[in-house]
Amino acid sequence: DARVTQTPRHKVTEMGQEVTMRCQPILGHNTVFWYRQTMMQGLELLAYFRNRAPLDDSGMPKDRFSAEMPDATLATLKIQPSEPRDSAVYFCASGPDNQETQYFGPGTRLLVL
Amino acid sequence: QKEVEQNSGPLSVPEGAIASLNCTYSDRGSQSFFWYRQYSGKSPELIMFIYSNGDKEDGRFTAQLNKASQYVSLLIRDSQPSDSATYLCAVNMRGTSYGKLTFGQGTILTVHP
Repeated sequence: DARVTQTPRHKVTEMGQEVTMRCQPILGHNTVFWYRQTMMQGLELLAYFRNRAPLDDSGMPKDRFSAEMPDATLATLKIQPSEPRDSAVYFCASGPDNQETQYFGPGTRLLVL
Repeated sequence: QKEVEQNSGPLSVPEGAIASLNCTYSDRGSQSFFWYRQYSGKSPELIMFIYSNGDKEDGRFTAQLNKASQYVSLLIRDSQPSDSATYLCAVNMRGTSYGKLTFGQGTILTVHP
C-alpha cells in the first residue's frame, strides 16, 4: 500500500530554532506539494515541485522558509528561524505526472513556543 | 471574494439521510474539481474528482458539476456516522500549473445516529 511518509510527525521547538520537515513521496510520483493547515487560514499551498524542479513557491514566506528536493525520494521544508506564527500542521502530498490527483501524507504537527 | 468558497457548517444530518455539500468557485475557466474528506487530526483523502458538467457517481457519493453556475456539490446518500468529517472542495484554476489546487475552507459534516 503506497503512501506518502513524513517525518517528524510532531515537533515542538522554541522560537528562533531551525525546523526541518521531510517527505518521501509515493514511488513513481513526479509532483510534490507542501501545504500548511491552520484553523484560520485552512489549507494553503506553500511550494510545488515537478520532476524535482520547483514550479511554484509563491505561497511560501521567502525570508524564512525554503523547500528542496535533493532527490526523487526526498522533499524537505525548512524554517529558519521559526516563529510562533509558524505553528500549524504541514502536509506533503504527491501525485503522478499525468493526473491532477494528490495523495497526502500524515502531516507534521509543529508547535513553536 | 474567496476563490473557492464553502459553507463552514457544521452541517448536521440524521443517519440514513442525504448530505449535500456545496462549493462555489470564482474562476469560470476552472477545469478540474476535487472533493477530499478529512477526519479530525488526520490528513485529507481524495473522495472524487469531476471534470465534466453533470453527475458522477461512486458508491454512496455523487459529485455534481455546473460550470455555468460555477458550483460543484457532493451528495452522500445513506449517510453514516463514519461520514462525519470535514469535506474540502479543491479546484484547479485556469492559468495555474497543471495539478495545482486551490482548496476551500471545508464544511464540517456531522451525521448523528
